[in-house]
Amino acid sequence: GENVEQHPSTLSVQEGDSAVIKCTYSDSASNYFPWYKQELGKRPQLIIDIRSNVGEKKDQRIAVTLNKTAKHFSLHITETQPEDSAVYFCAAWGNNFNKFYFGSGTKLNVKP
Amino acid sequence: DAGVTQSPTHLIKTRGQQVTLRCSPKSGHDTVSWYQQALGQGPQFIFQYYEEEERQRGNFPDRFSGHQFPNYSSELNVNALLLGDSALYLCASSAEYEQYFGPGTRLTVT
Repeated sequence: GENVEQHPSTLSVQEGDSAVIKCTYSDSASNYFPWYKQELGKRPQLIIDIRSNVGEKKDQRIAVTLNKTAKHFSLHITETQPEDSAVYFCAAWGNNFNKFYFGSGTKLNVKP
Repeated sequence: DAGVTQSPTHLIKTRGQQVTLRCSPKSGHDTVSWYQQALGQGPQFIFQYYEEEERQRGNFPDRFSGHQFPNYSSELNVNALLLGDSALYLCASSAEYEQYFGPGTRLTVT
């Protein structure tokens, strides 16, 4: 099956700086890669996603990049704010296995 | 448009008991997946239901079972509860790719 690895496990940045979280996957058949943000005690919320036919996608301060050859994708948050502090999870999905595999999560702390 | 809903919000059970958790998917979604999330970890896939059948299953014992109804809502049943079953149980619904999570049920087994 698929294996998704996520780094770093914790990330601390100063408000206004950028944050980058990286994930790698093992199955080349994976074709959809969402990112979720989970605040303490709340549900994971879909914040951005990318499909395998696209290399980059942006939504305001958030962007995701995908390198299919290297089998890795990254979440980029610019101009970080304290409310960006949360745990972020990446995931991979493929038509052949029909389920999501999640990374282990990155705890982002944005210091004011 | 209602999102994914789950009930109950919290539940406390004793070892050996059985529990049933419920999920209503987002409008227009026909696929429901269940996840177990232990404290400080990512969601672990339990199983997925589509057209009232279990389509995929993760590495969970047979004590974990489920059901999907004609209106796409779903139940997760756990028998012979163990202390290690204490976790946040998340339901997620999807139509094609995008998957949305419910608020979860916090299960505590004592």
